[in-house]
Amino acid sequence: DTAVSQTPKYLVTQMGNDKSIKCEQNLGHDTMYWYKQDSKKFLKIMFSYNNKELIINETVPNRFSPKSPDKAHLNLHINSLELGDSAVYFCASSQDRGRQPQHFGDGTRLSIL
Amino acid sequence: GQQVMQIPQYQHVQEGEDFTTYCNSSTTLSNIQWYKQRPGGHPVFLIQLVKSGEVKKQKRLTFQFGEAKKNSSLHITATQTTDVGTYFCAGPSDGNKLVFGAGTILRVKS
Repeated sequence: DTAVSQTPKYLVTQMGNDKSIKCEQNLGHDTMYWYKQDSKKFLKIMFSYNNKELIINETVPNRFSPKSPDKAHLNLHINSLELGDSAVYFCASSQDRGRQPQHFGDGTRLSIL
Repeated sequence: GQQVMQIPQYQHVQEGEDFTTYCNSSTTLSNIQWYKQRPGGHPVFLIQLVKSGEVKKQKRLTFQFGEAKKNSSLHITATQTTDVGTYFCAGPSDGNKLVFGAGTILRVKS
């Protein structure tokens, strides 16, 4: 069983489109995260939810909107995609906020044409 | 805000050589975590160090946490091609997040 699963794995789309990425974890963790990894491998935290409550909201354009329907799911919706949004987006989860080891999904490779 | 610096950025080694990556935090850490990301893969948790001066080993990998709990290192003895990837250190911030270093990309020439 995959612990943290993301869909889709690949997303190729045109500038200006709107897209969503879904994430689910079956580890029973309370906290979930979205990270953006650029071409230089830097992992940048975007958002974090703890039991459906938004606890981290980094400086991210408001075109990005996370949603957590329950503590096992965290989705990311992106409006009006731009070239600079091309990156790998990772979902992760941990037992508690911040201090505990994180389990990452396989990532969604987003390419903007 | 808290910063976690990691060096070197890249390291190319001949198979069989040793490799070390270093991590320094601007603040004292409650713990330090290490992750490995294979090319095309996702970060995978390797280990967590909690105590001042702690040393842990996983086969050919040795992890150390500094006495002041502000620095850490990962040493790989006799690298193999399976060791290639990016190694990240990460430490909890005062808030709710884990601050990752920029990572060290390891390439191994066979």
